[in-house]
Amino acid sequence: KQEVTQIPAALSVPEGENLVLNCSFTDSAIYNLQWFRQDPGKGLTSLLLIQSSQREQTSGRLNASLDKSSGRSTLYIAASQPGDSATYLCAVRRSNYKLTFGKGTLLTVNP
Amino acid sequence: GAVVSQHPSWVICKSGTSVKIECRSLDFQATTMFWYRQFPKQSLMLMATSNEGSKATYEQGVEKDKFLINHASLTLSTLTVTSAHPEDSSFYICSAREGTGESQPQHFGDGTRLSIL
Repeated sequence: KQEVTQIPAALSVPEGENLVLNCSFTDSAIYNLQWFRQDPGKGLTSLLLIQSSQREQTSGRLNASLDKSSGRSTLYIAASQPGDSATYLCAVRRSNYKLTFGKGTLLTVNP
Repeated sequence: GAVVSQHPSWVICKSGTSVKIECRSLDFQATTMFWYRQFPKQSLMLMATSNEGSKATYEQGVEKDKFLINHASLTLSTLTVTSAHPEDSSFYICSAREGTGESQPQHFGDGTRLSIL
């Protein structure tokens, strides 16, 4: 059974700081890994999707890496802003297109 | 970009009533839609997978008679919580997969907060 763990559960940083969020998964047989952002009481916004054959993806200030063999992914956020405050979820795709989610990291960026 | 609309966003009702939640893909055809449930500070848990024109596939432990799913068209799936009770109170989120390609991402709705009194 696939399990996804995200560390830390919560993170508070001052504005402008670079930060790293971690995601690990127990079964390396994945199709892809996706990072999402969830604002309070809202649905999910897809940030980055990394295929199993890829090592990293970049979008603006975000960079996600994937090491499938070790079951790890990181989300790097450069020059953090208060608007980045949200819960960040990591999900891995299994067969039949099902996603297994971690519990998320609650990020607070203080002005 | 691909947009998934979920309605209603919030519903409060009495115990014993049935509640229907709609999930629509607005600008793409979704052959597969997914229904998730999220408790506070917990991860999203997949409840069921629905394919257009066929019966939904439910995850282990999810009561199919309790959570009725209908995927009548390529742009609409509905989840009906029948005879809802306070323990059914949760945040329900749908997602839709665009196209049939292996690499296609899932697009999520904004969720429905269900509160049963």
